[in-house]
Amino acid sequence: QKEVEQDPGPLSVPEGAIVSLNCTYSNSAFQYFMWYRQYSRKGPELLMYTYSSGNKEDGRFTAQVDKSSKYISLFIRDSQPSDSATYLCAMSAGTYKYIFGTGTRLKVLA
Amino acid sequence: GAVVSQHPSRVICKSGTSVKIECRSLDFQATTMFWYRQFPKQSLMLMATSNEGSKATYEQGVEKDKFLINHASLTLSTLTVTSAHPEDSSFYICSARDATGEAFFGQGTRLTVV
Repeated sequence: QKEVEQDPGPLSVPEGAIVSLNCTYSNSAFQYFMWYRQYSRKGPELLMYTYSSGNKEDGRFTAQVDKSSKYISLFIRDSQPSDSATYLCAMSAGTYKYIFGTGTRLKVLA
Repeated sequence: GAVVSQHPSRVICKSGTSVKIECRSLDFQATTMFWYRQFPKQSLMLMATSNEGSKATYEQGVEKDKFLINHASLTLSTLTVTSAHPEDSSFYICSARDATGEAFFGQGTRLTVV
């Protein structure tokens, strides 16, 4: 079993839809949870960072962590074609090492 | 936010030759940089941790003699793929942490070995 599981998609949604991206994990030592966006042939860029259970909001993005279920989510409201990218979840147990999900490819259709 | 510059963005080399990839933190000092490899539709896999002024720490299964890492200054780490083979073709990405611990990624280097 992988430490971090993420549905690779692709996920296609119409413009304006609410997008839900999810990751599950097996290592209860993970304390830090990140979401990265990666455009084709580019490096990942950090979208959200959280270390506690609950919700964290930043503009159209909301990160949700449920440590009891070992489940994290990223919600994108009012999705735009420019949101089309691969979204990677990443986790850390507080060390230098990040464990990444495989990424979910998202397509927002105009 | 902080900027990490990676060069080149794309390189094609012949089998058996060596390729050097540079990773620079442009506006902060990074005592630690990380090198990842990403295959199509797969997650980033950490290859090694590059420490300024000391030897790199390699992840299990990564050949240190094949992937040479040098972290000569607080703003520069290099990855050299030696005696490249077609199976080394991949997307290589570096990352650097700033003083707050936040990780910033380079643009990535697409290596194609022919």
